[in-house]
Amino acid sequence: EAGVAQSPRYKIIEKRQSVAFWCNPISGHATLYWYQQILGQGPKLLIQFQNNGVVDDSQLPKDRFSAERLKGVDSTLKIQPAKLEDSAVYLCASSLNYGYTFGSGTRLTVV
Amino acid sequence: KQEVTQIPAALSVPEGENLVLNCSFTDSAIYNLQWFRQDPGKGLTSLLLIQSSQREQTSGRLNASLDKSSGRSTLYIAASQPGDSATYLCAVRNNAGNMLTFGGGTRLMVKP
Repeated sequence: EAGVAQSPRYKIIEKRQSVAFWCNPISGHATLYWYQQILGQGPKLLIQFQNNGVVDDSQLPKDRFSAERLKGVDSTLKIQPAKLEDSAVYLCASSLNYGYTFGSGTRLTVV
Repeated sequence: KQEVTQIPAALSVPEGENLVLNCSFTDSAIYNLQWFRQDPGKGLTSLLLIQSSQREQTSGRLNASLDKSSGRSTLYIAASQPGDSATYLCAVRNNAGNMLTFGGGTRLMVKP
């Protein structure tokens, strides 16, 4: 079974620029999550999709972050404009029943 | 609101020692609890998942226990090896559809 694919692996941008991350979950997994992990902390949920509908986006900074899940499969997370405090690893995960499978993440550095 | 705490934040032990990592959570109405391993610059690898009805799970040298009533879980690593060096994260799921709430992790270093 292929894992959760994420790209790019690394991204360096200047503050106020925009950036987008892509995630392809495990085939058949209806639930997809985006987490933000700041250095030295545990991951924090940004948004949860069930198929192509949003289940929970209460912790997503909607003034600058947006996310969509195309046809209930791939997902993109966008930040516009980026701030220094957005520097983190952005992890995508998918779930079918009990367990989660995480991708390798995208490390974003905002300078 | 569920809060998850992991103690200690960092741990350094000599190779061969048995060790225990602790996780506590504030809301005992959980669906399951999962332990993950994270290597530097990498994603999360699931180690053990304990359903709320279970008391423990074992995989090789790893054993995780769950005491829902007291809001605690422990991860026991037997005969630690340098390859076990990583950050270990505990995460709680409150119901079948909800997100995972993570602790801050324990950064483990096993010295040869």
